[in-house]
Amino acid sequence: SQTIHQWPATLVQPVGSPLSLECTVEGTSNPNLYWYRQAAGRGLQLLFYSVGIGQISSEVPQNLSASRPQDRQFILSSKKLLLSDSGFYLCAWWDRGQRFYGYTFGSGTRLTVV
Amino acid sequence: AQSVTQLDSQVPVFEEAPVELRCNYSSSVSVYLFWYVQYPNQGLQLLLKYLSGSTLVKGINGFEAEFNKSQTSFHLRKPSVHISDTAEYFCAVSLSDDKIIFGKGTRLHILP
Repeated sequence: SQTIHQWPATLVQPVGSPLSLECTVEGTSNPNLYWYRQAAGRGLQLLFYSVGIGQISSEVPQNLSASRPQDRQFILSSKKLLLSDSGFYLCAWWDRGQRFYGYTFGSGTRLTVV
Repeated sequence: AQSVTQLDSQVPVFEEAPVELRCNYSSSVSVYLFWYVQYPNQGLQLLLKYLSGSTLVKGINGFEAEFNKSQTSFHLRKPSVHISDTAEYFCAVSLSDDKIIFGKGTRLHILP
């Protein structure tokens, strides 16, 4: 079966520290992968998406970056966190081998920058 | 450019009463439409989707939505809500299979 894993579930980091959030997908190959951020009262903001290994599209210029080192692995990073990076980060995927039916989301990472 | 407007940020409703969560979209071409639900501290779960065909779409947990092309709306309805329906609901639109644009969400509060 197809599953998506996201970790860690919660994270508290000081301002200026680095960040690495990981997302992996199982049971599919060559998926589209997405990183969204959810800030209080602001809905979901698409940060990055990837259609293949090493292919990253950035939607919003910011303090974050993304990488896709393997087909089913998507990493969100920052070299120096800002207070404004706090939020709920969600990874999502879509199997392009299937008829489009929307995304499947991971369980999210709650990031608090202090 | 496509966009999604959820007209209500919060909707309180009594248990066992009906509810409608409103969603309007803007797009000059055909779109795919979705409703997702998010329970506290969890990811998003797909409730239902409209891709083509019948304009009345039935989803999980007794929810349904109606696609109205002339009014560019995709309102979500449930005839009788339960306390377990307390969550945030997101309407979303996609022109293609590359990206989905989400609304800002509507918090559904079920009152006892």
